Amino acid sequence: KAGVTQTPRYLIKTRGQQVTLSCSPISGHRSVSWYQQTPGQGLQFLFEYFSETQRNKGNFPGRFSGRQFSNSRSEMNVSTLELGDSALYLCASRLGLGRSAISGNTIYFGEGSWLTVV
Amino acid sequence: GQQVMQIPQYQHVQEGEDFTTYCNSSTTLSNIQWYKQRPGGHPVFLIQLVKSGEVKKQKRLTFQFGEAKKNSSLHITATQTTDVGTYFCAGSPDDKIIFGKGTRLHILP
Repeated sequence: KAGVTQTPRYLIKTRGQQVTLSCSPISGHRSVSWYQQTPGQGLQFLFEYFSETQRNKGNFPGRFSGRQFSNSRSEMNVSTLELGDSALYLCASRLGLGRSAISGNTIYFGEGSWLTVV
Repeated sequence: GQQVMQIPQYQHVQEGEDFTTYCNSSTTLSNIQWYKQRPGGHPVFLIQLVKSGEVKKQKRLTFQFGEAKKNSSLHITATQTTDVGTYFCAGSPDDKIIFGKGTRLHILP
């Protein structure tokens, strides 16, 4: 079974531009979440989508947005890029939103999209 | 808000020494998961603990879930260079998954 796929893997953008990152979850997984990871930092939660609806949201400005499609694929967008947005953006999928192991609480991460803002 | 605190932030050990990282939650967790991220890589799922007081082993790794389901630990016996990386715990108090900030393990040869 294919894992979580993220595109593009690497990209360089100029300050002020916008960027869209794409994520295809594991087949059958309906929840997709996004994380930002800067060098030496932990995983900063951005948001989680389930059934095309944003279910949970982290503490990021409105420049960060996302969406999920009917096939569970997800995209995140960052507008008006700042230098501080340079980071590894990780997408993760899980079966659902339940808390139990049966309902699929385990998160599987993609390899990430490395964004550099210059 | 709900938090999962993880300590230490960094740990340097000599190869062959043991290593332990701890997670503490401000609220009771339904389960806790552990992930490992190698340098330059992405977090990879290691294990999930569900029951109060649960202990699970994976070769040299021992995972524990506290009796109150608010804390957990990961212990590595006789570290090897392949253990280098950052270890994250992630707890679920509800439908959210909250990650600790991770413990970065350095192995000194």
